[in-house]
Amino acid sequence: DTGVSQDPRHKITKRGQNVTFRCDPISEHNRLYWYRQTLGQGPEFLTYFQNEAQLEKSRLLSDRFSAERPKGSFSTLEIQRTEQGDSAMYLCASRKGGETQYFGPGTRLLVL
Amino acid sequence: AQKVTQAQTEISVVEKEDVTLDCVYETRDTTYYLFWYKQPPSGELVFLIRRNSFDEQNEISGRYSWNFQKSTSSFNFTITASQVVDSAVYFCALSPPSYDKVIFGPGTSLSVIP
Repeated sequence: DTGVSQDPRHKITKRGQNVTFRCDPISEHNRLYWYRQTLGQGPEFLTYFQNEAQLEKSRLLSDRFSAERPKGSFSTLEIQRTEQGDSAMYLCASRKGGETQYFGPGTRLLVL
Repeated sequence: AQKVTQAQTEISVVEKEDVTLDCVYETRDTTYYLFWYKQPPSGELVFLIRRNSFDEQNEISGRYSWNFQKSTSSFNFTITASQVVDSAVYFCALSPPSYDKVIFGPGTSLSVIP
């Protein structure tokens, strides 16, 4: 059983550019989560999906952020018009049933 | 509001010493779950333990043990005979029964010196 995978692992972009990250959950995990982790802090919840439905979004998820899970499998997180404050680690997690969330390795974003 | 506090920002111990990481939480839920995760330098969060609010029994797993005290809203984590491989950031976390919105503490960075 492979774990949660995320792509890319690192991304450097210039301010104002758009970026998109991908998350592939563990097979058969119907719930998928996105978190953001800044340096020296714990992960903060951004949004989650049950299958293809986005069920909750944090106030942290401004209108420049959009997440999708079109077929209930992989998910994408897009940030438009990136700002330096968007620099962080973006973590994806998945789970099924009553199990705990299992996390991927994260995508580290640096906005110059 | 839900909140997790880890007052210890950084801890350094010498290998083979025991170390306890403190965690205090706040929640209005009567049912909730508590977690500990480990984040080594590679960055991936590794799940260590989950605890149901109704189960206050302490748990031991090898060199790891957890002390859950509902009366003081604490869920402390002890590593016995620490090893260099234990060096990492450790996060305590809290979630409602649905597991859908995990609230993490700020983390404690543990350095085990050989």
